[in-house]
Order: sequence, then C-alpha cells, then structure tokens
Amino acid sequence: EAQVTQNPRYLITVTGKKLTVTCSQNMNHEYMSWYRQDPGLGLRQIYYSMNVEVTDKGDVPEGYKVSRKEKRNFPLILESPSPNQTSLYFCASSPRSRGSGRVFFGPGTRLTVL
Amino acid sequence: AQSVTQLDSQVPVFEEAPVELRCNYSSSVSVYLFWYVQYPNQGLQLLLKYLSGSTLVKGINGFEAEFNKSQTSFHLRKPSVHISDTAEYFCAVTPSSGTYKYIFGTGTRLKVLA
Repeated sequence: EAQVTQNPRYLITVTGKKLTVTCSQNMNHEYMSWYRQDPGLGLRQIYYSMNVEVTDKGDVPEGYKVSRKEKRNFPLILESPSPNQTSLYFCASSPRSRGSGRVFFGPGTRLTVL
Repeated sequence: AQSVTQLDSQVPVFEEAPVELRCNYSSSVSVYLFWYVQYPNQGLQLLLKYLSGSTLVKGINGFEAEFNKSQTSFHLRKPSVHISDTAEYFCAVTPSSGTYKYIFGTGTRLKVLA
C-alpha cells in the first residue's frame, strides 16, 4: 500500500531536549516536505526536498533541521525544542510531476513542548 | 511569490443545502490550483485540481470548483451537502514551473448541521 509513515504520532517533551520525527515513503517520490499546522494559520511549509541531498527552506524553517540521505526518508530534527514549536506536523511526498496534485500526507505527529 | 486566501474560517450549513467555500490566490506566474479535504484526525486528501482547459473542474464526493482568472479565484461548491462532508478544506497552489512548492490557505472548517 502506498503510504507516508511518521513516527511518533504523539510526543510530549521538554524545552531543549533534542528530538527527531521520522518520515518514510514507499512510492519512490522525489519530492518530500514538512508542514506544521496551527489553528488559524493553516499549513505552513518548514522544509522541502527535491531529491536526495537536495533540501531547501520553506516558510518557517527557524528551529528545525532536515536531512535527505535516502530517497525514502526525510526526518525532521528539532535540536532545541521550544514551546512555540508545539504543533501538529505533517510529512508529505509527491512525484516530480507537480501538476498531478498527488501530495501524499502522513498521518501527522502531534508535538507538545513543555 | 504566491499566496492563498481563504476568507471564511468556518462555514456552517444545513444538510442538503448548497455550499460555496471561497479561495482567492495571488501569483506573478502561472499556477496550478487544488482543493484538499482533511477529516478529523487524518491527513489531507486531494479533492480536485485545475491545471488548464475547462475552468469548471469536478472532483470526488460531488464537489466542483470554478477557476476565474480575472478574479484570481478558485471557489469550491457542492449543490447538496451531507453530514459526512463535515471537515476542513484547504485551497492550495503550486507554480506551474520553477520552484516546486505547495502553498496552502489557512483552511475553512465546514460544519454540516442536521
């Protein structure tokens, strides 16, 4: 089954404790991205990647890091989480053909930073 | 740069009534337009898309949208809603060439009342 998986689904942590949210897709998609969803602000892009070793900042990259060492994986790293990073995070992947609109979203990771 | 505006954060409507969810966009380049739906506790699913050609596009679950280039709008409509249509709806754009990124609106929460 074609899917994007994220782990963990729920995470409660404390300020300053480094964490990683994993994302993996099994569709051989070139394009992967991370979004955060906050009430009234919709989905905002954090980082995206066009292919292996190719990443770029989205609209809200501060406080986040990503890497794309393999095509299927795109982890999101919070080196020193802060309470304003409490949010719902979605990983997404899509094929190179942008006109398809076929953006596959993961189930989401709800992060709370105390 | 591109931006998407969804002016209505919430739209309550009675079951079997028609509904229109508004989306306006801004872009200096040609774009593709999309509507996504997010059911509670789930990721986003593609409802419909406009790439070119006929300005009226039909999607899943009886939804349709009309692209209006002069008004830079892409409003979503359904002639008769069901309780199961209760969800959050996101309008999105992506440039048809150049930087590959999706820009989402802030979302409209559709609540269908019995």
